[in-house]
Amino acid sequence: EPEVTQTPSHQVTQMGQEVILRCVPISNHLYFYWYRQILGQKVEFLVSFYNNEISEKSEIFDDQFSVERPDGSNFTLKIRSTKLEDSAMYFCASSEAPTGGGAEAFFGQGTRLTVV
Amino acid sequence: QKEVEQNSGPLSVPEGAIASLNCTYSDRGSQSFFWYRQYSGKSPELIMSIYSNGDKEDGRFTAQLNKASQYVSLLIRDSQPSDSATYLCAAPGYSSASKIIFGSGTRLSIRP
Repeated sequence: EPEVTQTPSHQVTQMGQEVILRCVPISNHLYFYWYRQILGQKVEFLVSFYNNEISEKSEIFDDQFSVERPDGSNFTLKIRSTKLEDSAMYFCASSEAPTGGGAEAFFGQGTRLTVV
Repeated sequence: QKEVEQNSGPLSVPEGAIASLNCTYSDRGSQSFFWYRQYSGKSPELIMSIYSNGDKEDGRFTAQLNKASQYVSLLIRDSQPSDSATYLCAAPGYSSASKIIFGSGTRLSIRP
């Protein structure tokens, strides 16, 4: 069964360092997303990406964050200068059609980012 | 800002019984809803989606939607210990083509 894959599963980084989280969405999906979940809190939307550009982003997704689809398969989230409060589980998701229209989003297993 | 509200639980149900999970939402324009299951430390896994008023059944799971009352529920029949997880209710973002708003989740515990 097709699945969204994320690497690494766990990343520990020092405050102020840059991190890149990687995702391979399901191959025939066109819409890609990043969500995050701080321990014990809600799953929060960060950004959506379609047709090689950001289609929507949340208030959390400030200038420290960027996304890229560097080739036909990978989708990355970069955090330029990590803060302690960036520690969270980051989930990549993909869907065939926009989730706003009711399409189902499939989530990867997540990358646990720990900023020390 | 659209809100999706859930009782955080924990909800404790004996094995074999029916577990009932509820969710309310604030945006009357919402057309579709999702139930995700999330095991501790894992990613959300889609269980069901529902778009129309009424019931939708899939195996042991039944989703119910009442747009007039703005609530959506999930029933789990013949509850199993493996159903112990946090259940997330979600809806598309208001005026958004591309995001899902999640509730805070209800922790369900199935006791043997």
